Order: sequence, then structure tokens, then C-alpha cells
Amino acid sequence: GAGVSQSPSNKVTEKGKDVELRCDPISGHTALYWYRQSLGQGLEFLIYFQGNSAPDKSGLPSDRFSAERTGGSVSTLTIQRTQQEDSAVYLCASRPQAGGEKLFFGSGTQLSVL
Amino acid sequence: SQQGEEDPQALSIQEGENATMNCSYKTSINNLQWYRQNSGRGLVHLILIRSNEREKHSGRLRVTLDTSKKSSSLLITASRAADTASYFCATDSGNTPLVFGKGTRLSVIA
Repeated sequence: GAGVSQSPSNKVTEKGKDVELRCDPISGHTALYWYRQSLGQGLEFLIYFQGNSAPDKSGLPSDRFSAERTGGSVSTLTIQRTQQEDSAVYLCASRPQAGGEKLFFGSGTQLSVL
Repeated sequence: SQQGEEDPQALSIQEGENATMNCSYKTSINNLQWYRQNSGRGLVHLILIRSNEREKHSGRLRVTLDTSKKSSSLLITASRAADTASYFCATDSGNTPLVFGKGTRLSVIA
């Protein structure tokens, strides 16, 4: 596609349920990032994939969060046993390679945990 | 912790005035980038300035970088109502994720 695509756009779930958020980066981009943004706040780094290297998971807030990237393209962020504090906009971004280039962002997934 | 810290947190100006936002950071960088966000969703890249550059222009945008003070500023000249958005600086230290500040919320009043 022309840009980074995220789905769903909005997700409402009940506390304790698992959710999966999807990111389809720009074709050919080897670097993919997940960020989280709580209301009125800055972007919090979650996880970063670069090519076939092991992902940088240093930003994941707890072991309820995990992500994978299949075939070097689509990525799925999974949150298990969701909590109300997980409510946020989850943003995915990609760029051609690891460093020195601008990020292209998707429109995000607004997650609301009731 | 956040690398970049924007200042001010919020800024309200009249259409036609200039808007200046500042960003401070803590560690050495390869480049610094500014992004714009409308309505709390996807960010759009505005401009990138490399560590060996001091000033860069793009249309009505002017960015400066002072690596000795670890600071950058974004100037938007002749602001328009459509410039109303949140603006974020992000530091790039190479093969690491970009680190974003908390942003400046700009309101341009027509």
C-alpha cells in the first residue's frame, strides 16, 4: 500500500480480554516500530523490529505485551489480560532502514479498555 | 525516560504571528526530527536536521540545532489556523528507536 496501515482503527474491549492490533508497513521498509500514546502525552516506545535481527523489546511495559513480525512485513501487537491503564492510542511506524531516516506513521489504533 | 522535552507545553497565537517551539535533549544524536500530529492520531514528519547542521528551512518552517546546548527550535512563520496541532521533536541516535518528547500543543486563532 501507499502508507502504513493499522487495524482496527478503534477497539473497545473488556478488562481481562486479549486484543490483537495489526500493522502493515510500507512495502520494503525493514524497520518497524510500535509506540503507545496515552491521552495528552508523548509517545512511549514499545518495541522495534529491524530486518531479521532480534527485536528490541526494551519498551514493553509488562509480560502481557508481545509482538511479532511475520515474513519481515506485517506485525501484530498482542496485549493479554487487558487492564484499564492499557487504554491508549497504539501507533505503528516504519522506515526503510534502522537509522537516519524519517518515520512513516499509521493512523493508530485507539484502544479503550472498559 | 523522554529524551526530548518540548517547551512550551501549550502555545496559543493569532493567525499571522510566528510560533516558536523548543526542544531539549540529553544524549548525543545523529539527527533530530520534528513531527506534527493532528487529533491525537498518526504523526507526520516535518523536517530533519542532522547533527552537523545548524539551521534548515522548509517552506514556512525553520529549524535550528545547537548540539553544544543539546537543544533545537522549530519556528513556524506566518501561522495559519490549519497549523493548529501538536508538534513533537524526536531524537535519532542511530540504530535505536526514535525518542519523542511530550509535545507542544499549538493553537492558532483566526
